[in-house]
Amino acid sequence: SQTIHQWPATLVQPVGSPLSLECTVEGTSNPNLYWYRQAAGRGLQLLFYSIGIGQISSEVPQNLSASRPQDRQFILSSKKLLLSDSGFYLCAWSPTGRETQYFGPGTRLLVL
Amino acid sequence: QKEVEQNSGPLSVPEGAIASLNCTYSDRGSQSFFWYRQYSGKSPELIMFIYSNGDKEDGRFTAQLNKASQYVSLLIRDSQPSDSATYLCAVMDTGRRALTFGSGTRLQVQP
Repeated sequence: SQTIHQWPATLVQPVGSPLSLECTVEGTSNPNLYWYRQAAGRGLQLLFYSIGIGQISSEVPQNLSASRPQDRQFILSSKKLLLSDSGFYLCAWSPTGRETQYFGPGTRLLVL
Repeated sequence: QKEVEQNSGPLSVPEGAIASLNCTYSDRGSQSFFWYRQYSGKSPELIMFIYSNGDKEDGRFTAQLNKASQYVSLLIRDSQPSDSATYLCAVMDTGRRALTFGSGTRLQVQP
């Protein structure tokens, strides 16, 4: 069966510090991968999605970037965090050619 | 900008009642619709999806889709306190191959 992992689970970072969040999927190959952010009490905002290694589509221009160095690994990064980057970051995957998305456990980020 | 609208609630129902959660969407070309449940502090989990007009049943859950009215709903029969959560409606944007989510409806099932 397929499993999606995210780490860390929680993170407290100062403004201006860098960020790296990692997501990996097990038990499948060539998945579609997604990064979402959920601000407190808000809906999910799609940040990036990827249909293959090195193929990243950005939804919202901001100080975040994403990379997919391996088939089942998706990384979210920032060089300098802003206060507004605080939120619940969710990675999701879907099987190739399928639309149903499955979410990882999430990373709760607090920027102070 | 394609939109998915949900009443934020809270929707409060007594235990054993039917909970009805509603969602409207703006993109008339949308073909795929999803319901997720999100417990406080947790990530969303898929409840069910629906592609065709009409009803789709899975256990205590029934999804209803009316593409002409751009309306999708989720019925929860015999509601239990464990059903208390936020329910997210999502619509597939076929152009982007990505889901657009509503902001969710908070459901409270009173024992």
